[in-house]
Amino acid sequence: DVKVTQSSRYLVKRTGEKVFLECVQDMDHENMFWYRQDPGLGLRLIYFSYDVKMKEKGDIPEGYSVSREKKERFSLILESASTNQTSMYLCASSDTLTPYNEQFFGPGTRLTVL
Amino acid sequence: DQQVKQNSPSLSVQEGRISILNCDYTNSMFDYFLWYKKYPAEGPTFLISISSIKDKNEDGRFTVFLNKSAKHLSLHIVPSQPGDSAVYFCAEIGSQGNLIFGKGTKLSVKP
Repeated sequence: DVKVTQSSRYLVKRTGEKVFLECVQDMDHENMFWYRQDPGLGLRLIYFSYDVKMKEKGDIPEGYSVSREKKERFSLILESASTNQTSMYLCASSDTLTPYNEQFFGPGTRLTVL
Repeated sequence: DQQVKQNSPSLSVQEGRISILNCDYTNSMFDYFLWYKKYPAEGPTFLISISSIKDKNEDGRFTVFLNKSAKHLSLHIVPSQPGDSAVYFCAEIGSQGNLIFGKGTKLSVKP
């Protein structure tokens, strides 16, 4: 089974802190994604990556950066956390060989910024 | 611009009855749509998909219908069970291979 793990289920940080959210997948997938989920807004794409050291902006990249140094790991970085970044963060991966891009999600990290 | 719209934020049905969740789209590049299901404190999981070569795809209690002319798809769950209570997201494939999600519909199935 595909497994996508995220480093923390719950995280509380203070405004201005630098925050790292880690995601690891164990199925050798090419593609990895970071979304945030907010009530009434659904899942919105922050960044994604097709390969090691490659990254593409999604719909809401402002205030975030990402790092993909290894194929299995995709990190989301909040350089200076703000209260409007309080959200559920979801990581996903997919196999380029999959014709229709089914994505497998991690359990999510509930981030609260105080 | 690709958009996926789920206009009903919530739906409540009685156990054993049919649940119908609706989704509209504007422009589709790949004519391929997916439904994901999400429980609280868990990541979304893939449920069922449909491509434009079909107008219906069935998997057990779940059936997805696609009406290309109306740019509309719907997910039918019959019979509905309390364990089906979750948020359901409709999604399509974006121009860069990413998924574009609707805002979700929260389904509550009452015993």
